[in-house]
Amino acid sequence: DAGITQSPRHKVTETGTPVTLRCHQTENHRYMYWYRQDPGHGLRLIHYSYGVKDTDKGEVSDGYSVSRSKTEDFLLTLESATSSQTSVYFCAISDSAGDGYTFGSGTRLTVV
Amino acid sequence: KQEVTQIPAALSVPEGENLVLNCSFTDSAIYNLQWFRQDPGKGLTSLLLIQSSQREQTSGRLNASLDKSSGRSTLYIAASQPGDSATYLCAVPRNTDKLIFGTGTRLQVFP
Repeated sequence: DAGITQSPRHKVTETGTPVTLRCHQTENHRYMYWYRQDPGHGLRLIHYSYGVKDTDKGEVSDGYSVSRSKTEDFLLTLESATSSQTSVYFCAISDSAGDGYTFGSGTRLTVV
Repeated sequence: KQEVTQIPAALSVPEGENLVLNCSFTDSAIYNLQWFRQDPGKGLTSLLLIQSSQREQTSGRLNASLDKSSGRSTLYIAASQPGDSATYLCAVPRNTDKLIFGTGTRLQVFP
């Protein structure tokens, strides 16, 4: 989607290595979110941010950390990747609960 | 706890049919309801956003209605086309910390 980009689009990494995924927005939206999508589980919230340096955990936050040093960037780090973290990761942004959400195109991560 | 359910789970129809996809939610205290489509291997594309004060929204061949009191929303697709084949998701926000997604309807429109 215009205004939100994720990088990389695809990544293969080895078990135990750290991995960082990046979400960049040009909409100046306050809220940013990281979701993972897995067959049979739908979309699950990992972490979210409600402002620079303000973050909170979602429902599946174990093994993940996030940082938001600038309004436009929200980083998701897998501290030590495991095979269970093989998934498609989506970033989303919103300006308020009433404005709706915009999703990025996703990052397909494979941990071998 | 808000729960969002979509019926049917899957739908296969010939091209040209008018379709209705259903979304039900258990807590009527919602800010809005958003419909998305997801193509295989792709991200989510926002189709329509209905605010809690609205009854319906239209975009091209798509029309979404919202009845908060009964906890239901419908997505109407007119004159379906093969390009409409995708998974359709409805979602409602829980304050600002989470979107609660429905279970999805997988639609296939064949020529």
